[in-house]
Amino acid sequence: QQQVKQSPQSLIVQKGGISIINCAYENTAFDYFPWYQQFPGKGPALLIAIRPDVSEKKEGRFTISFNKSAKQFSLHIMDSQPGDSATYFCAASMGYSGAGSYQLTFGKGTKLSVIP
Amino acid sequence: DTGVSQDPRHKITKRGQNVTFRCDPISEHNRLYWYRQTLGQGPEFLTYFQNEAQLEKSRLLSDRFSAERPKGSFSTLEIQRTEQGDSAMYLCASSLATGNNSPLHFGNGTRLTVT
Repeated sequence: QQQVKQSPQSLIVQKGGISIINCAYENTAFDYFPWYQQFPGKGPALLIAIRPDVSEKKEGRFTISFNKSAKQFSLHIMDSQPGDSATYFCAASMGYSGAGSYQLTFGKGTKLSVIP
Repeated sequence: DTGVSQDPRHKITKRGQNVTFRCDPISEHNRLYWYRQTLGQGPEFLTYFQNEAQLEKSRLLSDRFSAERPKGSFSTLEIQRTEQGDSAMYLCASSLATGNNSPLHFGNGTRLTVT
């Protein structure tokens, strides 16, 4: 049972454009939602994360939007650059409150290609 | 480099053989995780240690898999009697226990190919 559904599977964006990746979750006990970036041959690296008491978080060109009632969250990459070409994973866990598991449940990933 | 270190980077083995992978976490991190990632998928949780105690194990971790963290520092993941379905990238991650959900720092993984 996939608890975190991610879309699209792949995305092609022109340089300078906005990349948008969406995720939906089922488990309302999730209380921590990070996004990871992974380059070929490398492990995932944390990009940005959000808790459900916040509707939006911005760090540089990266923004997470969170909709608790819809159980959805999304990653927006503004002014996308060729160096952003990578696979992006959303994830969720129940560990923020300390009452649940620290394990992360990942989406299947979105392969982003930013073309010049 | 003070990141999470995994060894070996690549391992090719024949079906039925045993393999062991090593993970050295960031030195001050007391939480250590193992994940498995297959092609085109996100990482899947296998197991988690806090110091030397193995606190969680996924149902994915069959009895052919065993993980240890004997002194609360490095960890090993052993797969016995490997099967072709074990072919995957095995990722190790570590984090601090000082706060809930302190970020996980992943290593670059060990890619296992079972022939």
